[in-house]
Amino acid sequence: AQTVTQSQPEMSVQEAETVTLSCTYDTSENNYYLFWYKQPPSRQMILVIRQEAYKQQNATENRFSVNFQKAAKSFSLKISDSQLGDTAMYFCAFLGFKAAGNKLTFGGGTRVLVKP
Amino acid sequence: EAQVTQNPRYLITVTGKKLTVTCSQNMNHEYMSWYRQDPGLGLRQIYYSMNVEVTDKGDVPEGYKVSRKEKRNFPLILESPSPNQTSLYFCASSLWGEDTQYFGPGTRLTVL
Repeated sequence: AQTVTQSQPEMSVQEAETVTLSCTYDTSENNYYLFWYKQPPSRQMILVIRQEAYKQQNATENRFSVNFQKAAKSFSLKISDSQLGDTAMYFCAFLGFKAAGNKLTFGGGTRVLVKP
Repeated sequence: EAQVTQNPRYLITVTGKKLTVTCSQNMNHEYMSWYRQDPGLGLRQIYYSMNVEVTDKGDVPEGYKVSRKEKRNFPLILESPSPNQTSLYFCASSLWGEDTQYFGPGTRLTVL
């Protein structure tokens, strides 16, 4: 079974600065997807970024980028130029190609507070 | 607008009183799932469905039932709710073979 671990329960960052969230996972599969989801106070689950494991290039979406280290099973998220609207809970998630029911396996989450 | 809807958004109930949380999607997705979110545990899959009349257990199915009589709807049924089912519930849907999942807005359930 896959597991996803987010070791930082909470992080704070000053507006305009950079913060990096860590995520490690465990799997025996070679092909899979990794995601970062944002959950603001509205509780909506918002997809921030996705990475296909068979692509070596790290995914980037505007101010959000990942550092994907397949051998180390690590998938960190970097938020650059942090904005107040980035304040949210962030979840790392794993989806295996063989996942029954398209099941996402989530980490426990990291709460990010952006301070003015 | 493509979306997943859930109702109700908030519900407070008492132990043992049967309830249903509805989920509907308008994207003709085959896959639908229910997740529960608890502090420190992230989201965990309760049940999923791969198509009409095809459902199966996820990681935490105890105390829940589901049905898939129509492709667009996937209700979650708690026959006899207990306080340990107090949680935030999400419905999600996706196309067969696609990795992107669409989440509903969530239902905050409190069982007293």
